[in-house]
Amino acid sequence: GIQVEQSPPDLILQEGANSTLRCNFSDSVNNLQWFHQNPWGQLINLFYIPSGTKQNGRLSATTVATERYSLLYISSSQTTDSGVYFCAVVRLQGGSEKLVFGKGTKLTVNP
Amino acid sequence: DAGVIQSPRHEVTEMGQEVTLRCKPISGHDYLFWYRQTMMRGLELLIYFNNNVPIDDSGMPEDRFSAKMPNASFSTLKIQPSEPRDSAVYFCASSPPGRHSGNTIYFGEGSWLTVV
Repeated sequence: GIQVEQSPPDLILQEGANSTLRCNFSDSVNNLQWFHQNPWGQLINLFYIPSGTKQNGRLSATTVATERYSLLYISSSQTTDSGVYFCAVVRLQGGSEKLVFGKGTKLTVNP
Repeated sequence: DAGVIQSPRHEVTEMGQEVTLRCKPISGHDYLFWYRQTMMRGLELLIYFNNNVPIDDSGMPEDRFSAKMPNASFSTLKIQPSEPRDSAVYFCASSPPGRHSGNTIYFGEGSWLTVV
């Protein structure tokens, strides 16, 4: 099946710093999403971005489908950005549309 | 909308007992997913339904696990008999028609299962 690798696995920042999280995937995909899991375990979708660039406030994401990677940018980080960021992809195959998750990047933003 | 609703939020049970997790998807969503999250294996898809029909159950770990979706507003994931290695957070998620046109998946808050 398709492999999804995220880096770095852990990231510690001071409030106000910027960061870039990376997601590499092993095959072409039909769907790519970024999620944030907060410290209480809740999973929130951030972006649906199979290709191109999107921005939402301090967060933006870029997917270069031809090179099989996606980047999540967090600018002016805040303590509330802490949590785990997951990249998840779908490759339609045999009628199946499984969303396959990477292992995540654990972000800690210190005040 | 209330979002995806899961119950129970927390359950502690003894090995060998039957566990039933419940999910109510968002109204109008025709896809429903069951995921399991552990430290070792991360987030794994167990099974998903489309229009109440199971489409892919290849992630169900073994025969002790079963899932049903008797109607568009309710699904269950059952573990019988439960084992300590089943301890995990079980997430239900749903998404609307036309997923690949840009609609995204919405997760419930999870059911935290501990089997002792």
